[in-house]
Amino acid sequence: QVQLVQSGADVKKPGASVKVSCKASGYTFTNDRIHWVRQAPGERLEWMGWIWPGRGNTEYPQKFQGRLTFTQDTSANTAYMELSSLRSEDTGLYYCTRDRGYCNGGKCYSRFESWGQGTLVTVSS
Amino acid sequence: DIQMTQSPSSLSASVGDRVTLTCRASESISSSLNWYQQKPGKAPNLLIYSASSLQSGIPSRFSGSGSGTDFTLTINSLQPEDFATYYCQQTYTTPRELTFGGGTKVEIK
Repeated sequence: QVQLVQSGADVKKPGASVKVSCKASGYTFTNDRIHWVRQAPGERLEWMGWIWPGRGNTEYPQKFQGRLTFTQDTSANTAYMELSSLRSEDTGLYYCTRDRGYCNGGKCYSRFESWGQGTLVTVSS
Repeated sequence: DIQMTQSPSSLSASVGDRVTLTCRASESISSSLNWYQQKPGKAPNLLIYSASSLQSGIPSRFSGSGSGTDFTLTINSLQPEDFATYYCQQTYTTPRELTFGGGTKVEIK
């Protein structure tokens, strides 16, 4: 079965960087985009962009441009999310999710079918 | 960015009730809408995609409808395991700027 297993919780000081890993199994890792979604305490889900493993293509929302980097290790079926210049507002749960998209009327759309267990990132001095 | 607004933000219901949750987009998104269920401390779980298609393995008491800007998620005969927070997500702008609604928390009355 499809599984996404993320790295453990991390505590960082403001201004530091954090790198979260997401190891995939149960499907062909290079076939589908991996998206990252975060959730601050008590807040809504926030989409953070994606990487397409194997192709190396990435997409970053304007909000995170310059602070966010997605990378991959296809030999280890693992995707990584690195967020730099951390501030207290970056505290939250970070999820990776597999996009098993579907196509309709000649266009394809995202569908977040499988999720990692989440990684808690705490930014505190 | 397309803004997604869910209402109500929370509701109380009893086991066996039929509940309807609403999601509104700031502009037309055709039928490009997904619904997720999230329980405390857990990752979201996909329920509905393309506004009305039931994800594999999801009970048939969940159904979705709508197109354009207005969408609903209906849960027929609410079960104890259905008490959770539900989020809508627009995917019209795939693969860019995908956005979630603020969520509706379904609580036990």
